Amino acid sequence: AQSVTQPDIHITVSEGASLELRCNYSYGATPYLFWYVQSPGQGLQLLLKYFSGDTLVQGIKGFEAEFKRSQSSFNLRKPSVHWSDAAEYFCAVGPNNNDMRFGAGTRLTVKP
Amino acid sequence: GAGVSQSPSNKVTEKGKDVELRCDPISGHTALYWYRQRLGQGLEFLIYFQGNSAPDKSGLPSDRFSAERTGESVSTLTIQRTQQEDSAVYLCASSLTSTEQFFGPGTRLTVL
Repeated sequence: AQSVTQPDIHITVSEGASLELRCNYSYGATPYLFWYVQSPGQGLQLLLKYFSGDTLVQGIKGFEAEFKRSQSSFNLRKPSVHWSDAAEYFCAVGPNNNDMRFGAGTRLTVKP
Repeated sequence: GAGVSQSPSNKVTEKGKDVELRCDPISGHTALYWYRQRLGQGLEFLIYFQGNSAPDKSGLPSDRFSAERTGESVSTLTIQRTQQEDSAVYLCASSLTSTEQFFGPGTRLTVL
């Protein structure tokens, strides 16, 4: 069965600084990989997804993620964080869209 | 356009009472999912509907939990004889294709 680990429970970065949120997965084949963001009081919104092809995936809001099979990782990055990026971020993995497993989430705080 | 809606947004109940949580998916979406999100934790898969049938009920934590979907539209998650450990946010998502789930804002359930 697939599983996801997000090692960082909480990260604080200054506005304008770069960001990297870590995600490690366990799955026997090439997985479907997703990053979702959850703002306070909101539902989850898909930032980006990887199914196959180019291992560097561009998403919305200036986010990108890179699939590294050798490291079983799918880390989320943003070159310059905005205060509005403060939220909870979830990585998810699955054999398809219908059988996803989510990580515990990383809470991002942005300092002025 | 209308997204996934859930009602109620908040529900406080006493231990031992039954509760019903409702999900209205995006119109035309054939797949519907229920997740549970305990405080500080990731999303826990509960059940998945394709049309009105549930091919995967493996995530339901106990026989106190049940769900149904009618008319390939609205779904209801019922928790009988609620326990304090049932306190969580219950999230619903729907999808049309196999590539993305669209999430509702959730129902926060508190069992006293």
